[in-house]
Amino acid sequence: GDSVTQMEGPVTLSEEAFLTINCTYTATGYPSLFWYVQYPGEGLQLLLKATKADDKGSNKGFEATYRKETTSFHLEKGSVQVSDSAVYFCALLNTGGFKTIFGAGTRLFVKA
Amino acid sequence: DGGITQSPKYLFRKEGQNVTLSCEQNLNHDAMYWYRQDPGQGLRLIYYSQIVNDFQKGDIAEGYSVSREKKESFPLTVTSAQKNPTAFYLCASSSTSGKKYTGGLFFGEGSRLTVL
Repeated sequence: GDSVTQMEGPVTLSEEAFLTINCTYTATGYPSLFWYVQYPGEGLQLLLKATKADDKGSNKGFEATYRKETTSFHLEKGSVQVSDSAVYFCALLNTGGFKTIFGAGTRLFVKA
Repeated sequence: DGGITQSPKYLFRKEGQNVTLSCEQNLNHDAMYWYRQDPGQGLRLIYYSQIVNDFQKGDIAEGYSVSREKKESFPLTVTSAQKNPTAFYLCASSSTSGKKYTGGLFFGEGSRLTVL
């Protein structure tokens, strides 16, 4: 079945460091890919998405590129801030489906 | 502002009791979902509904029930048959075009259920 694998956390960075959170997926067909962010005690918020190969999703300085050849959708940010501390979830939605499949989440801590 | 409202935010239950979590949306979305989140794990789908008066089981439906009598509302009942109900419950919705989901879930702020 479809699945999403994320790098295990926690990831701890200093402010202004470069962030990469790895995400790979297994799916039949041509899924849409998503990154969601969850701040403490809250629900998830959609951060960015890409719907086809080579698309780049971007938002709030975060970006991720849909790489079909490596089945990956890694999240990057050039300079993290303390306010970016949260849990980040990679997810996929397969073509024609209604079920979004989530990775286990990666917790990010950013130190001042 | 449009959004999803979940209540209560915190709920305590004694073993053997049923509890109902409320989820209301004013986004005019057709599809609604219930997810369960446990520490260190991703989200697991309990139930989902694509239209009023219709819903389908997700991956972990045992011990839960839902109804969809109105487009705006999708309450979840955690029954006494659910063996390990302590968790964070998230309601979500999405827009659709025909039968195709257009991508991106909107989430409520969650309800944390603790069994005493």
